[in-house]
Amino acid sequence: ETGVTQTPRHLVMGMTNKKSLKCEQHLGHNAMYWYKQSAKKPLELMFVYNFKEQTENNSVPSRFSPECPNSSHLFLHLHTLQPEDSALYLCASSQVRKETQYFGPGTRLLVL
Amino acid sequence: AQKITQTQPGMFVQEKEAVTLDCTYDTSDPSYGLFWYKQPSSGEMIFLIYQGSYDQQNATEGRYSLNFQKARKSANLVISASQLGDSAMYFCAMREPTTDSWGKLQFGAGTQVVVTP
Repeated sequence: ETGVTQTPRHLVMGMTNKKSLKCEQHLGHNAMYWYKQSAKKPLELMFVYNFKEQTENNSVPSRFSPECPNSSHLFLHLHTLQPEDSALYLCASSQVRKETQYFGPGTRLLVL
Repeated sequence: AQKITQTQPGMFVQEKEAVTLDCTYDTSDPSYGLFWYKQPSSGEMIFLIYQGSYDQQNATEGRYSLNFQKARKSANLVISASQLGDSAMYFCAMREPTTDSWGKLQFGAGTQVVVTP
């Protein structure tokens, strides 16, 4: 595997489900990011991890819970989501925070 | 306040022609970076080109070049010799250092490009 991978690529879940999105980067980077892309809205930064430490939380509701066990892996745990949380969730990584971010293919999430 | 403005929601361009995508930005910081990303319908954001605010020359990467006009706060992307595979959404983004968020990217709304045969 190369670059940034995300699984699953598509996810349908009910509002009472619990699921997790996984991101893995094979670039040797130290910073990882979660973004949300809703229809007709600019990309929104959700969380930033720098050397496994969360350095930014952009007022994201607690039903989204990130986890970064090491510099290569990033998870987004989802529980009791709302239909308006349906979106494309993109993971990105960079060498350090000021460098170019490289994105994964995204997970398309539909909440019913 | 919107910091990145892309005024063209969509554009059609013929194959082999050049296309310019507009991007203006707003910052009072002298140190910043500008990026262009391509997003095909598959969803992945593909990094295309980077321009630093202190770079003397306009950035180029293959068929992509960035027309950087600092005084006008403009960073237009030029795609030369368009190909059918260039059909995608294109996003301009800016990174500016702030005391609480060094490295945060702000994205524009994007421009949808459709390349026709």
